[in-house]
This record gives sequence, C-alpha cells and structure tokens, in this order.
Amino acid sequence: GQNIDQPTEMTATEGAIVQINCTYQTSGFNGLFWYQQHAGEAPTFLSYNVLDGLEEKGRFSSFLSRSKGYSYLLLKELQMKDSASYLCAVRRLILTGGGNKLTFGTGTQLKVEL
Amino acid sequence: DSGVTQTPKHLITATGQRVTLRCSPRSGDLSVYWYQQSLDQGLQFLIHYYNGEERAKGNILERFSAQQFPDLHSELNLSSLELGDSALYFCASSVGVERDGTGELFFGEGSRLTVL
Repeated sequence: GQNIDQPTEMTATEGAIVQINCTYQTSGFNGLFWYQQHAGEAPTFLSYNVLDGLEEKGRFSSFLSRSKGYSYLLLKELQMKDSASYLCAVRRLILTGGGNKLTFGTGTQLKVEL
Repeated sequence: DSGVTQTPKHLITATGQRVTLRCSPRSGDLSVYWYQQSLDQGLQFLIHYYNGEERAKGNILERFSAQQFPDLHSELNLSSLELGDSALYFCASSVGVERDGTGELFFGEGSRLTVL
C-alpha cells in the first residue's frame, strides 16, 4: 500500500517563505505531485517531480528525494490568497490493467497571516 | 474553469436511497478519475477509467459503481446510501493514462452529497 504523511496545519506571515514537507512510502513510485485546494473548491495542480532535485515555478518550488521518500513544497513571498490546503500526492505504477493510481495525503492547511 | 463539468453540484437525499453523479471530462481527455473527500479524510481514490474501460480501482465500496460511456462522460452510482457517504465527490480528467509525464489531473468543482 501507500503511506503519505504531511503536517496537518502550518501558519506563516505574509511575505515570508514556508516549507511544507511530505514523506511517503510506496512501491512502484512514478511521480510526486503537489496540489492546492481552497476550502470547498477543486484541487488545482501546482507541481510535479519524478526525478530527484528541485523544480521551480515562479513563487512555488518543489523538491524530491526518492531515496528518502521525501518531498517539500516551498512557497516564497507569501500572499494572503495562498491560505489553502496543500496536498501531496504520489503516483504508483499499476502493472496490471495499465491504470494510474494517484494517492493523496490528507493535506496541510496553511494559514497566512498579516 | 478546469473544463471538467460535474452535476449535480449539491444533492440531499435519505439513507437507503440511490443517486447518480455525472462527470463530463475536458474535451479530448480520455481518462476519468473519481475521488471522495470527506471532512475527516483526504481525497480518497475510488476508480479510474480510460476510454471506456476500468483501469484502476481504489477502496471503492461494493455499493458504489461507475462507468464511462462512449462519449467519454462518466457516472458514479451510489446505492443503499448511509450517513457516512456524505462527502464531496470529485471527478478529474487527464489526456491519457499518464504513466509518464506530468500526469496533471484537472478536477471538476465536485458534487456535494448530503445523506440525512
């Protein structure tokens, strides 16, 4: 099976930098994703890592270490609108059926304060 | 707007009843995924269809079933409803099976089911 752990809640100040960690255990690892979800809304894609290292995308960066089963999402120059839940998701290769199983963590609720 | 359409947006029904949730994927997307999100749990993967065929199954209850039609829209059927089935049900679509590549999923706005 899969096990994905991320902190339940974090609080940060507007303009600051915050790092949200995610650890996972899975077989057949085939990529790690970060999604943002505002309350009552649909999740939206932020980033994707399949190889070790850092992927930068504007104010958001995501890092992956496959050997450690670890990823983090880095948010810079925080804005109030960044207050949301951040979901770490792990994709597992399904050998039979050719399907795609993307399993989400329970999410980290980020609160950005003035 | 992700391009994924889900209906109905809200649904209130009683225990023991049966409901059908509908999803139209983005134009050109062949894969449809269903997820359940309740307050105390994260997004729980239910099932994945690709071009009309079931490809992967999560912890989907036997009371739940789904299908993807030739026009690629999908329906999730929930029967013998229980209070615990109250949740937000999301449909997501992607271009292919996405075993490689970014595999970005595009989510609909969800169908909020309340079972009384």
